[in-house]
Amino acid sequence: TQLLEQSPQFLSIQEGENLTVYCNSSSVFSSLQWYRQEPGEGPVLLVTVVTGGEVKKLKRLTFQFGDARKDSSLHITAAQPGDTGLYLCAGASERGGADGLTFGKGTHLIIQP
Amino acid sequence: GAGVSQSPSNKVTEKGKDVELRCDPISGHTALYWYRQSLGQGLEFLIYFQGNSAPDKSGLPSDRFSAERTGGSVSTLTIQRTQQEDSAVYLCASSLGRVDAYGYTFGSGTRLTVV
Repeated sequence: TQLLEQSPQFLSIQEGENLTVYCNSSSVFSSLQWYRQEPGEGPVLLVTVVTGGEVKKLKRLTFQFGDARKDSSLHITAAQPGDTGLYLCAGASERGGADGLTFGKGTHLIIQP
Repeated sequence: GAGVSQSPSNKVTEKGKDVELRCDPISGHTALYWYRQSLGQGLEFLIYFQGNSAPDKSGLPSDRFSAERTGGSVSTLTIQRTQQEDSAVYLCASSLGRVDAYGYTFGSGTRLTVV
């Protein structure tokens, strides 16, 4: 069974601060995805990283896939209240995710105005 | 449709009753997935369909859970003799192709409360 550990579980910071969320596993994933979920809604895909060491940027969000494809991080620069939500990482097995993605338990992020 | 549609959005049922949850995926998405999201537990994979077939049902929590998909489109998740521990948000997702390339498009979920 592949497990993904996310940290921190909860994070509350002031607007304008920077933060990093981590997603770690002892297993290798063919790709890793990050989702953001707001209350009462389903998760929405933010990014997919595929290559070890890959870095992708989405405005103020920077995503990195570890060299060994076992871990990933999400860094937010100058956080805004609109960034508030539950951030989930999800890994696809070497079978390409045909058997479903494995999700971490998520990081609850609150950005205080 | 434009997105993944789930119904009902909320369901309160008495312990022991059966419930049916429905998912209407994005047109053309051949892969369909069901997940359960409980407080503090994250997303638990239940079952996936490729077309109308479900190659792996081992994620279903017990034999009270069953799912089907007809016409390569709408899927129904049925829970028989509901128990309080079945209370959760049930999420459906569809994907255009390989999920590691395309990712999931989720519906808004069905919040099930068993009283």
